Amino acid sequence: QVQLVQSGAEVKKPGASVKISCKASGYIFTNYFIHWVRQTPGQGLEWMGVINPSDGSTTYVQKFKGRVTMTRDTSTSTVYMELSSLTSEDMAVYYCARDFSTIAADDPNRFDPWGQGALVSVSS
Amino acid sequence: DIVMTQSPDSLVVSLGERATINCKSSQSVLYFSNNKNYLAWYQQKPGHPPKLLIYWASTRESGVPDRFSGSGSGTDFTLTISSLQAEDVAVYYCQQYYITPLTFGGGTKVEIK
Repeated sequence: QVQLVQSGAEVKKPGASVKISCKASGYIFTNYFIHWVRQTPGQGLEWMGVINPSDGSTTYVQKFKGRVTMTRDTSTSTVYMELSSLTSEDMAVYYCARDFSTIAADDPNRFDPWGQGALVSVSS
Repeated sequence: DIVMTQSPDSLVVSLGERATINCKSSQSVLYFSNNKNYLAWYQQKPGHPPKLLIYWASTRESGVPDRFSGSGSGTDFTLTISSLQAEDVAVYYCQQYYITPLTFGGGTKVEIK
């Protein structure tokens, strides 16, 4: 079955970076966009951006530009999201989520399925 | 950015009764060229990621029970659970995919009375 498995919880100091992995299985990796969404108590669900695993192209939300980098490794069907210059406001559960439709369908931007989430804590 | 506003924040409903959740977008998410509303609904149970329930405002995802239905158009949308079951206790979110940045409502928590 289609599955996204994320790396584990992280504890980081302010100013540090975090890199989360998301390993896909059960489908053709390069056929679907992968999105990143974070969830905080204060801001709720927040879309961060998307990567096309086929060519590595990315779209980032303006708020995160300059701090976020999404990459992929097609040999292992894994997508990575790195967020730098962490502050307490970045404390959240970070989810990867596959797009509902194939890239070829040109009908993107719904999320199904989701990874299990990765909790990022930021504390000095 | 399109702002999605859900109401109420929380809802307490008896088993077997109807639950109604509202979602309003700050601008229309209806694309006139295909007459589709770019609006999805998700269910999130405690300790789990969200799960897609409905897209195009009213199309149920495969495997979603038919007690869940979506309606509305333009800027005003509703998710209805026709007969609440114990397993429906969750937080429900709407999401617009009309334009990036993709945005979510603040969520509605549904509990059993």
